[in-house]
Amino acid sequence: KQEVTQIPAALSVPEGENLVLNCSFTDSAIYNLQWFRQDPGKGLTSLLLIQSSQREQTSGRLNASLDKSSGRSTLYIAASQPGDSATYLCAVSKDSSYKLIFGSGTRLLVRP
Amino acid sequence: NAGVTQTPKFQVLKTGQSMTLQCAQDMNHNSMYWYRQDPGMGLRLIYYSASEGTTDKGEVPNGYNVSRLNKREFSLRLESAAPSQTSVYFCASSEAHGGLADLPTSFGPGTRLTVT
Repeated sequence: KQEVTQIPAALSVPEGENLVLNCSFTDSAIYNLQWFRQDPGKGLTSLLLIQSSQREQTSGRLNASLDKSSGRSTLYIAASQPGDSATYLCAVSKDSSYKLIFGSGTRLLVRP
Repeated sequence: NAGVTQTPKFQVLKTGQSMTLQCAQDMNHNSMYWYRQDPGMGLRLIYYSASEGTTDKGEVPNGYNVSRLNKREFSLRLESAAPSQTSVYFCASSEAHGGLADLPTSFGPGTRLTVT
């Protein structure tokens, strides 16, 4: 059974710092991996989608990498800002279906 | 363009009561989803609908029923609420058709449900 783990559960950094969020999964046979952002009281926003054949995806200050063989993905946030404060979730899918397995998230606080 | 809307935002039920959570999307998406999120956990899929009139069970369907009334609306019903169903419920939608990776792309703001 696929399990997705995100460590740490919470992270606090000063503004301007570069940071890395980690996501690990137990079954390397994934179809794709997604990173989401969740703001308090709001729904999820999809940030980046990495197909299993890809190694990384970039969007602005965000860069997500994928290492299937080791069962790991990282989300790199450059020059963090207080507006980046949110919970970040990763999720994997085994095949081309709709079934996503989510991690429990990392709650990020960027201090001004 | 409101995206995905959910009603109500908050609800408190007593054990055994029933209620329906409403979800609607105005993006002409084909697929819709219901998830629940418990404290310290990721989202878990309750039910999925690829199109009007079709539904599929997800990871945690017990205690729930769904209805895809039309392309816009997808409701989730709790027939006899239990404390274990205390959670935040999210509705989501996606445009993808069957055969392609059909992943949720738009999420509603959630319904916070407490069952006492």
